[in-house]
Amino acid sequence: AQSVSQHNHHVILSEAASLELGCNYSYGGTVNLFWYVQYPGQHLQLLLKYFSGDPLVKGIKGFEAEFIKSKFSFNLRKPSVQWSDTAEYFCAVNAPISSGSARQLTFGSGTQLTVLP
Amino acid sequence: GAGVSQSPRYKVAKRGQDVALRCDPISGHVSLFWYQQALGQGPEFLTYFQNEAQLDKSGLPSDRFFAERPEGSVSTLKIQRTQQEDSAVYLCASSLGGNWDGYTFGSGTRLTVV
Repeated sequence: AQSVSQHNHHVILSEAASLELGCNYSYGGTVNLFWYVQYPGQHLQLLLKYFSGDPLVKGIKGFEAEFIKSKFSFNLRKPSVQWSDTAEYFCAVNAPISSGSARQLTFGSGTQLTVLP
Repeated sequence: GAGVSQSPRYKVAKRGQDVALRCDPISGHVSLFWYQQALGQGPEFLTYFQNEAQLDKSGLPSDRFFAERPEGSVSTLKIQRTQQEDSAVYLCASSLGGNWDGYTFGSGTRLTVV
C-alpha cells in the first residue's frame, strides 16, 4: 500500500521568506505525484503535478516541486511567499492503473502554512 | 456546471440517523470519486465510479456506507445508522477520464454526528 508523509504539520513564515515543504512517499513502482492547496473556506485545488519527464515541475502561483526518485521525495518550493499563500498544502500520490490502484490518490496529512504580513 | 457541486454543505445528524450526501460532477466527466477527510487529516479514498459502474469501493469503512451513481452523472453517498466517528468532510471529485490529468474537487459536505 502507498503512504505519504508530510514532515511539517504547521509552518509559519514572514512574507518574502522562502518555502520548502517536505513530502515523502512509499511505493516502489512508477508514481504520479501531486500537490494540492486548500485556501480557507475553499475546495482543494491542484497546484502542480508530475507524471514523467523533467523532475522539476512548475505550477501555478510561482510554486515548483522537484521529484527525486532515489529519495522518494517530491518537495514543494516557492522562493518568496506572500500573505495570500496562507493555506493548507497536501501532497498526494497515485500509482498508475496498471498497479491495480485505479485512479485513487493517497494524500499526506497536510501542512498548514501561515504567512505573516 | 462549472465545477463539482456538493450538497448539503453542512449536515448535522443524530447518532443512528441515516444521511444522504449528493455530488453533481462536472458535466461530461466520466470518473467520480468520494473521499473522507477527518479533522486534521488528508482526504482518504472511499470509492470510485466510471460512469455508472462502481469500480472500486475498497475504501468504504463499513457496510453502513453505500454509494451509487445510477445514471452515470449525479452520485449519492449514503451512510446508515451514523456514528460519531463518521463525522468528517466528505469530498467528491470528478475527472474527464481517458488520459487522466488529475481531478477537480467539490467543496465538500461537513457531516457532524451528535
